[in-house]
Amino acid sequence: DQQVKQNSPSLSVQEGRISILNCDYTNSMFDYFLWYKKYPAEGPTFLISISSIKDKNEDGRFTVFLNKSAKHLSLHIVPSQPGDSAVYFCAASAYFSGGTSYGKLTFGQGTILTVHP
Amino acid sequence: EAGVTQSPTHLIKTRGQQATLRCSPISGHTSVYWYQQALGLGLQFLLWYDEGEERNRGNFPPRFSGRQFPNYSSELNVNALELEDSALYLCASSYGGATNEKLFFGSGTQLSVL
Repeated sequence: DQQVKQNSPSLSVQEGRISILNCDYTNSMFDYFLWYKKYPAEGPTFLISISSIKDKNEDGRFTVFLNKSAKHLSLHIVPSQPGDSAVYFCAASAYFSGGTSYGKLTFGQGTILTVHP
Repeated sequence: EAGVTQSPTHLIKTRGQQATLRCSPISGHTSVYWYQQALGLGLQFLLWYDEGEERNRGNFPPRFSGRQFPNYSSELNVNALELEDSALYLCASSYGGATNEKLFFGSGTQLSVL
């Protein structure tokens, strides 16, 4: 049962344009969401996060939007740069509800972003 | 400041053998997490250790086990290796067990089971 899904395996955009990466989740206990970026031969690095009490969080060129009713979040990168080319993972946790999910991040399958010069 | 370090980088074993993977967290971090990334799949949660105790484990069979040492480093042991255990094993660390804190990942150990 895939509780966090990234339905687009890949995305290709032109440098300077907007990149929008999408993520859907099914578990209503999830209350904290994160995006990680991964380059080849490296571990994932944290990008941005959002708590379920918010619907938007910005950090420079990166903005994460959360739609709780649709159980959907998206990552916007504006403007996109060739150095943004990487695999992007969304992840979710049930931090506030805890239980058997405490300490556990549930990841999506990842989306390969390619930004062309 | 040194990041999360994992060893070895690559490990080749045959079916039925045992594999031991090692992880050193960032200095000051007490929590260590293990994730498996099989080809084409996302990261699957394996184990979480904090202050030397196993706090949670994912849906993996008991032949996946580990421990955390007093210096907070950790080992992941996989017994009776099967072909489907071939994957990238990632270790991450954080200051505590709260997953609203960002995890810092190592570069991983690529395990190949032949």
